[in-house]
Amino acid sequence: NAGVTQTPKFRVLKTGQSMTLLCAQDMNHEYMYWYRQDPGMGLRLIHYSVGEGTTAKGEVPDGYNVSRLKKQNFLLGLESAAPSQTSVYFCASSYTGARTGELFFGEGSRLTVL
Amino acid sequence: ELKVEQNPLFLSMQEGKNYTIYCNYSTTSDRLYWYRQDPGKSLESLFVLLSNGAVKQEGRLMASLDTKARLSTLHITAAVHDLSATYFCAVVKDFGNEKLTFGTGTRLTIIP
Repeated sequence: NAGVTQTPKFRVLKTGQSMTLLCAQDMNHEYMYWYRQDPGMGLRLIHYSVGEGTTAKGEVPDGYNVSRLKKQNFLLGLESAAPSQTSVYFCASSYTGARTGELFFGEGSRLTVL
Repeated sequence: ELKVEQNPLFLSMQEGKNYTIYCNYSTTSDRLYWYRQDPGKSLESLFVLLSNGAVKQEGRLMASLDTKARLSTLHITAAVHDLSATYFCAVVKDFGNEKLTFGTGTRLTIIP
């Protein structure tokens, strides 16, 4: 079972460059999430989606955009990368949502912005 | 704003010993999750605690939830090296709220 797959796993960007992280899940989950993890901190929610075609802001949405054109995919975009966006990004999905069910996480994407 | 605090942040213990990790949260919630993360890896769900007094056990790990005290504990019994990892608790504040607030994590190292 593939579960939640993130691409790419590693990426180095220069300040001002743009990129997109792709999250794909094969569990037919309605809910999908993008988190970032920084040293010494827990995960923080960037954006999330409660179904195809929907997106919503999380705790730290500034500088990021997302799209959920297909149920199985959730894209995270950085239009103009900044060094403060250096982090490990985790995608997660859930069948019933964070309130009622567990989240399944991808393996993470490590992004470095120089 | 919901705050989730774990202690200790770092824990080094010998194999065979028992210890407890604590997770305190600042606002009413009856949903708490425990996750494990190995270095450089993703988060793995350990326990989902869905009501006051809930207790769940898996192998040498046991988690409990006291919603009145806003406290969850993760107890480790007779620790073994394979349990070395970072453990996170996470709390959801309100029904319909999708924001899962994580604690800062407890890095557990089991020494042979």
